[in-house]
Amino acid sequence: DTEVTQTPKHLVMGMTNKKSLKCEQHMGHRAMYWYKQKAKKPPELMFVYSYEKLSINESVPSRFSPECPNSSLLNLHLHALQPEDSALYLCASSQAQTGREETQYFGPGTRLLVL
Amino acid sequence: AQKITQTQPGMFVQEKEAVTLDCTYDTSDQSYGLFWYKQPSSGEMIFLIYQGSYDEQNATEGRYSLNFQKARKSANLVISASQLGDSAMYFCAMERGYSGGGADGLTFGKGTHLIIQP
Repeated sequence: DTEVTQTPKHLVMGMTNKKSLKCEQHMGHRAMYWYKQKAKKPPELMFVYSYEKLSINESVPSRFSPECPNSSLLNLHLHALQPEDSALYLCASSQAQTGREETQYFGPGTRLLVL
Repeated sequence: AQKITQTQPGMFVQEKEAVTLDCTYDTSDQSYGLFWYKQPSSGEMIFLIYQGSYDEQNATEGRYSLNFQKARKSANLVISASQLGDSAMYFCAMERGYSGGGADGLTFGKGTHLIIQP
């Protein structure tokens, strides 16, 4: 089973709202990722968690706040977003075996619209 | 810094024909992984195939094969006997090898929009 789930599938929010995106996997993976994908562009890495610790932050604005409560869950908290933050947000996970390249398995994504 | 180049923004192919999607890469890492993903209009990124930089054999997964030419830094995806359901965006991606800190993210090319015609 290579399933990664994401909720919600669609989200519309105002610039003053606070919302959260949720990602879950039950494959025993210990690395989880957030990517942002604008229309007609490739995904861009935002954050990497390895063994529940934030290991990579690609200089993402502080209005995006990631959280990894346990090895199966990854959240992305959103606050005071801008219209240009509208995008598809993809979550992925991988085994986190050190010393080896890793296949990342993606969820279906959350389509976010900021008004 | 790594870079992935996909030079075919779009391709039209007749059903049942073979398709080759081009991918070249640039990296200073000795150890790296190359991946191909399929993204239908629904948005989900579907893993297709993986090639490690030290793998001597070209990877194959069903109808998918990866033509890996390390000296030329190319990792082309070949889809045999294309089907209508193969219509999608295809991304070539690279992950660095172990960096000492755990998992690394993927760097993606710009993608190729493949359309299979009946």
